[in-house]
Amino acid sequence: AQSVAQPEDQVNVAEGNPLTVKCTYSVSGNPYLFWYVQYPNRGLQFLLKYITGDNLVKGSYGFEAEFNKSQTSFHLKKPSALVSDSALYFCAVSAPSGSARQLTFGSGTQLTVLP
Amino acid sequence: EAGVTQFPSHSVIEKGQTVTLRCDPISGHDNLYWYRRVMGKEIKFLLHFVKESKQDESGMPNNRFLAERTGGTYSTLKVQPAELEDSGVYFCASSQGVNTGELFFGEGSRLTVL
Repeated sequence: AQSVAQPEDQVNVAEGNPLTVKCTYSVSGNPYLFWYVQYPNRGLQFLLKYITGDNLVKGSYGFEAEFNKSQTSFHLKKPSALVSDSALYFCAVSAPSGSARQLTFGSGTQLTVLP
Repeated sequence: EAGVTQFPSHSVIEKGQTVTLRCDPISGHDNLYWYRRVMGKEIKFLLHFVKESKQDESGMPNNRFLAERTGGTYSTLKVQPAELEDSGVYFCASSQGVNTGELFFGEGSRLTVL
């Protein structure tokens, strides 16, 4: 069975500082990896994905994520945080075929950017 | 273009009652998914429709949950009878492709069972 771990329930960072939201995964075969963000009273929004190719993936709002196969990680990063980045972030994984094609999400990390 | 819409946004019912949640996907999206987040935990897959057919319902917790998608358009998720552990936020999502993973989510329906 596939799984996702987001080890931090809460991440606080000062505005202008770099931010990292951690994610590790477990899946059979090559993973498809995703980050979604949920702003207050809104649905989840797609941020970025890794399917294949360059390990560094760039997404919306200046976010990027690095796929590390040996560490089975897909951490979300941003060089300079904004107060408006404060939201709930979810990492997700799926397998390209078979019964594990559906997205499996982590428990979420609440990011708070302090002014 | 309208996004995925869900109704109601919040429902409070007593144990043993019935609740029906509705989801209207983005027009033209054949794939429709239901997910649930319980008590701040991970978002869990419930089921997946392709048009009006259930492609995968492996995540449905038990037979108290019934999902339908009439004519391949909107979908309903009925919980009957509701139990306390059914409380949570039920998300609907839709997509054109299946394996792109880029799903469009609604704002969710929060269900509170007392």
